[in-house]
Amino acid sequence: AQKITQTQPGMFVQEKEAVTLDCTYDTSDPSYGLFWYKQPSSGEMIFLIYQGSYDQQNATEGRYSLNFQKARKSANLVISASQLGDSAMYFCAMREVYTGGFKTIFGAGTRLFVKA
Amino acid sequence: SAVISQKPSRDICQRGTSLTIQCQVDSQVTMMFWYRQQPGQSLTLIATANQGSEATYESGFVIDKFPISRPNLTFSTLTVSNMSPEDSSIYLCSVFLAGGAPGSGEQFFGPGTRLTVL
Repeated sequence: AQKITQTQPGMFVQEKEAVTLDCTYDTSDPSYGLFWYKQPSSGEMIFLIYQGSYDQQNATEGRYSLNFQKARKSANLVISASQLGDSAMYFCAMREVYTGGFKTIFGAGTRLFVKA
Repeated sequence: SAVISQKPSRDICQRGTSLTIQCQVDSQVTMMFWYRQQPGQSLTLIATANQGSEATYESGFVIDKFPISRPNLTFSTLTVSNMSPEDSSIYLCSVFLAGGAPGSGEQFFGPGTRLTVL
């Protein structure tokens, strides 16, 4: 079963508007971390935002915020005031802890297109 | 933060041959990871490479096909053995730097090695 689900293969947003990228996850571990990465066409992976499972408040980083709903197991990324440079692939990821370490697994990704 | 370099950045190889990818980090890290990203796909974890221990492979990946070395805290190699066209992918090295709070931290990625197997 998929542990990280991104149901939107592609999204369009008008420049300067806000957009929400969906992510749901599945884990039985009480301690985990949720991440969002941006991958532009250049291929580099750019870390955007992190949310810990025990964090009481939603994470925010500049124009990025993470809408964390623990009971629903969702961790949606909200990008405010979209810019043309936001056009890229966005990956949701979850870090699971196991004895001796951890691993991070990724969702299928959502390609965001920002229209001028 | 961590700066990660990978060599080669890209290569075109013949089937049946092997390629070793190098990953160098500018700081000492305990946990290092190797991912594969096939064209148009997401990242798939190949293995976790901790210094001083055998690499831990994910389901679907085996040591004979993807041997990994981790000789010190700043360096690792991934070899793609007996390559076939299905191995054509981007291979990414990644490291984790722990944050101040327990459980926090950031995972950094190298620029990737783009491999094409003919």
